[in-house]
Amino acid sequence: KAGVTQTPRYLIKTRGQQVTLSCSPISGHRSVSWYQQTPGQGLQFLFEYFSETQRNKGNFPGRFSGRQFSNSRSEMNVSTLELGDSALYLCASSIPYNEQFFGPGTRLTVL
Amino acid sequence: QQPVQSPQAVILREGEDAVINCSSSKALYSVHWYRQKHGEAPVFLMILLKGGEQKGHEKISASFNEKKQQSSLYLTASQLSYSGTYFCGTDHGSSNTGKLIFGQGTTLQVKP
Repeated sequence: KAGVTQTPRYLIKTRGQQVTLSCSPISGHRSVSWYQQTPGQGLQFLFEYFSETQRNKGNFPGRFSGRQFSNSRSEMNVSTLELGDSALYLCASSIPYNEQFFGPGTRLTVL
Repeated sequence: QQPVQSPQAVILREGEDAVINCSSSKALYSVHWYRQKHGEAPVFLMILLKGGEQKGHEKISASFNEKKQQSSLYLTASQLSYSGTYFCGTDHGSSNTGKLIFGQGTTLQVKP
């Protein structure tokens, strides 16, 4: 069974730009959660989607948004990028909900 | 609200045992344990649910004290491959919600 896939794997943007990251969950998994990982703040929950609906949201500004499609694939968008948005963005899928399986992440660098 | 992990770091020799603790100030529905190696994604190790159910790798054991809101991960007869950073993630819903709050991590280094 294929694992969680995320695209792109690496991304370099400049301040003020916007970015869209994609996550394809494990086949049959309908919940997708997004996390931001930085050396200073660790792993922080962004939001979670199930059946195309955002069920939970973390404490991030409105510049961070997401959506989920009918095939359970999910995207997250960050608008007006700031230097502090540089991070590894991870998505995790679950059936739901029990164990979550993480994708390889997208490494975003904001210059 | 972030769970507290202890110790922050531990160094072992192959074959030695280690215990990693995770403590929360809020009521827990479940505790999830992951290991992350440098440059890789976190890998699921175990989930412990309120009521006693647990699922995970055969060679990993853990405990969940609902009353104390604590969990411990037991690594026995450590191998070099156990090296990495261990995270506990806690779910504070009335059932699993898909929203995990992670501790700051425990770095484990196993030496030959």
